Amino acid sequence: EVQLVESGGGLVKPGGSLRLSCAASGFTFSSYSMNWVRQAPGKGLEWVSSISSSSSYIYYADSVKGRFTISRDNAKNSLYLQMNSLRAEDTAVYYCARETEPGPFLDYWGQGTLVTVSS
Amino acid sequence: SYVLTQPPSVSVAPGQTARITCGGNNIGSKSVHWYQQKPGQAPVLVVYDDSDRPSGIPERFSGSNSGNTATLTISRVEAGDEADYYCQVWDSSSDHQGYVFGTGTKVTVL
Repeated sequence: EVQLVESGGGLVKPGGSLRLSCAASGFTFSSYSMNWVRQAPGKGLEWVSSISSSSSYIYYADSVKGRFTISRDNAKNSLYLQMNSLRAEDTAVYYCARETEPGPFLDYWGQGTLVTVSS
Repeated sequence: SYVLTQPPSVSVAPGQTARITCGGNNIGSKSVHWYQQKPGQAPVLVVYDDSDRPSGIPERFSGSNSGNTATLTISRVEAGDEADYYCQVWDSSSDHQGYVFGTGTKVTVL
């Protein structure tokens, strides 16, 4: 059974940093691209970042480019999101999701971790 | 960047058919995918590649895509179908690459 479990969320002050993790199990993690998607309270889904299976290709939404860094450790079956210079508008539930191609689309999602940016 | 537009809400009686549209410039040339999200839960993929269903998704969920509009159709609607629905494409234009989600549609079962 595919499982994705996010952790690392919490309350942080504007300008602060936070590192999210996503532990994957139930599939060959090193064979799949992975993504982070966020959802602000009461709002829709917003894609944040994507990383290919070998980390060769990385993409970011314009809203986080230069502030967030996606990475992965295939030996640990883990995905990460380093978030710096956080703003109030980064407050959201952050989901990690597995990507399947062609498409591409996101076929499995974690339950999410809440990040709150507030003074 | 590419924009996907959905109606904010759709209301449907049990047993009837709900149609949720997703508008985008020449969206028919792209692969469209649909997600269902119930309150407090993570999104679930219900249709991929315009009209295919993942295993475990009822046949009542179907999709189509042509021209400037993609459509998710839910036949014989049940109370458990009440949720938010999002369409999604991959945008690979010259100045931007990434996932694009629609604005979302709340389906209410009367």
